Amino acid sequence: AQSVAQPEDQVNVAEGNPLTVKCTYSVSGNPYLFWYVQYPNRGLQFLLKYITGDNLVKGSYGFEAEFNKSQTSFHLKKPSALVSDSALYFCAVRDFSGAGSYQLTFGKGTKLSVIP
Amino acid sequence: SAVISQKPSRDICQRGTSLTIQCQVDSQVTMMFWYRQQPGQSLTLIATANQGSEATYESGFVIDKFPISRPNLTFSTLTVSNMSPEDSSIYLCSVEVIQGAGEQYFGPGTRLTVT
Repeated sequence: AQSVAQPEDQVNVAEGNPLTVKCTYSVSGNPYLFWYVQYPNRGLQFLLKYITGDNLVKGSYGFEAEFNKSQTSFHLKKPSALVSDSALYFCAVRDFSGAGSYQLTFGKGTKLSVIP
Repeated sequence: SAVISQKPSRDICQRGTSLTIQCQVDSQVTMMFWYRQQPGQSLTLIATANQGSEATYESGFVIDKFPISRPNLTFSTLTVSNMSPEDSSIYLCSVEVIQGAGEQYFGPGTRLTVT
């Protein structure tokens, strides 16, 4: 079974400071890893993904994430936070073991608040 | 990406009734999915909607409660049957635009309240 853990319910950061939203995962095979953002009363927006290749993945709105296989982590980062980044962030994993499962398993979400 | 619309955007329904949620995509996609997001919770996959075949349901979800139709490659419906207050959730459809690419794109969701 696959699972995702987001250890922080909420992250507060001052505008202009770097931000990190943590995610660890568990899969039996090779992971596909994703970050999504959900603004209030909106659906989820895809930010970035890791499938293979470079461990540092760049995505939308200046976000990036680093895949660390030994620590089974995929933390989301941004060098300089904006107030408009305040939202709910979800990490998700898919176990690409070749069995054809398309199921995305989501973490419980981390609320990011950027303080002006 | 894809542009995904859902109808209705929200509804308040009485216990024991049923609601059908529509999901429309602006391009043909093979894989469509239905998720539930309960208040303050993460997303849980209900089922995968396959065109031309029965939907594939996840553990804890059954066809009698959540019947799904997928008449073509751009449209799907999810019905929430015999509703109870525990069914109050946001229901989201999603699509995998490029099969095998991994990422899914989500509709805006349908906020359902059952009284």
